[in-house]
Amino acid sequence: LAKTTQPISMDSYEGQEVNITCSHNNIATNDYITWYQQFPSQGPRFIIQGYKTKVTNEVASLFIPADRKSSTLSLPRVSLSDTAVYYCLVVNRDDKIIFGKGTRLHILP
Amino acid sequence: DAGVIQSPRHEVTEMGQEVTLRCKPISGHDYLFWYRQTMMRGLELLIYFNNNVPIDDSGMPEDRFSAKMPNASFSTLKIQPSEPRDSAVYFCASSNRGLWYGYTFGSGTRLTVV
Repeated sequence: LAKTTQPISMDSYEGQEVNITCSHNNIATNDYITWYQQFPSQGPRFIIQGYKTKVTNEVASLFIPADRKSSTLSLPRVSLSDTAVYYCLVVNRDDKIIFGKGTRLHILP
Repeated sequence: DAGVIQSPRHEVTEMGQEVTLRCKPISGHDYLFWYRQTMMRGLELLIYFNNNVPIDDSGMPEDRFSAKMPNASFSTLKIQPSEPRDSAVYFCASSNRGLWYGYTFGSGTRLTVV
């Protein structure tokens, strides 16, 4: 099972773009990179998933370099409501999802 | 859709008592997962079902924990007898896209065993 490493915490300010980088050096060929967001007192919420290059949806963008050993979740123009824990996961079609510690993002006014 | 529904939202019980947590997955979802979250251990997968059949219960801490899924719209997680170290938030999640893509989580049950 590929292990991920991400910062324990990050601070940013409202209106800024926030980039959270995750490393996954032993990612396998059939692994996908997935990000979840968790607000206090709620269950995690799926944000985005990708395999290579770039994926964008209404919430975030995910950048994956060619070697796939790392990935960056980009949140454009964050607001106070983006304060949450963000989990980077490496998953494959044949295995269940295991969560790590996540990155605690704190948005300041 | 109402999403994944868990009950109760909060449960306080005394050590030694039986506790039953309930989950109603999203209609049409064929996978159901039970997770536990604590500050020390983070989010742990306890067990998951596919088409109402338990597939992997390797995360269930010990024999005091049991889970059932009698039909596609209902699952229970039971702890008997409960202990203070079982205090945690228990989440149920469901998926219709297999093991790997986009689980939908419920709001959780906060269990406190005193």
